[in-house]
Amino acid sequence: QQQVKQSPQSLIVQKGGISIINCAYENTAFDYFPWYQQFPGKGPALLIAIRPDVSEKKEGRFTISFNKSAKQFSLHIMDSQPGDSATYFCAASPIFYNQGGKLIFGQGTELSVKP
Amino acid sequence: EAQVTQNPRYLITVTGKKLTVTCSQNMNHEYMSWYRQDPGLGLRQIYYSMNVEVTDKGDVPEGYKVSRKEKRNFPLILESPSPNQTSLYFCASSLLASGSNEQFFGPGTRLTVL
Repeated sequence: QQQVKQSPQSLIVQKGGISIINCAYENTAFDYFPWYQQFPGKGPALLIAIRPDVSEKKEGRFTISFNKSAKQFSLHIMDSQPGDSATYFCAASPIFYNQGGKLIFGQGTELSVKP
Repeated sequence: EAQVTQNPRYLITVTGKKLTVTCSQNMNHEYMSWYRQDPGLGLRQIYYSMNVEVTDKGDVPEGYKVSRKEKRNFPLILESPSPNQTSLYFCASSLLASGSNEQFFGPGTRLTVL
């Protein structure tokens, strides 16, 4: 059972365009929604994260939009650059302390930004 | 430098030959976790540990064992590897502090079981 569903699986965008990756979750007990970026041959690294008390968070060219009622969140990359080419994972984390730092990941999106 | 290290980075082995992948972190994190990454399936948690001597199953624990005898180390053990365990493995760690669930990942171990 996939608790976090991510789409699309792959995405090709022209330099300067907007990249949009979507995620949907099922468990209303999630309260932390990060996005991780992974370059080839490297481990994932935290890119940006949001909690459900806000609908949007922006850091530079990266924005998370969050829709609590629809249980959906998305990553927007403005002015996409070839250096943004990577695999992106959305994730969700439950509220309860006994889950510790548990993260449940989406399937990943391979983004390619063409020059 | 704060980091998570894994060894080996690449490993080719044969079915049934026991192996251990080591993981170590120098950030004094309580939480450590192992994931496997497979195309189209994302990152799936194998086992996790919330502190020394405290471990629990993740979503795909079958065929794996772990131990946490020291806070910094969290080895992953495959006692009888099978070809369906061919995958890319990541170790991660994080602080168990409210407001921060950021996980720090190691560089990965690519395992091939023939």
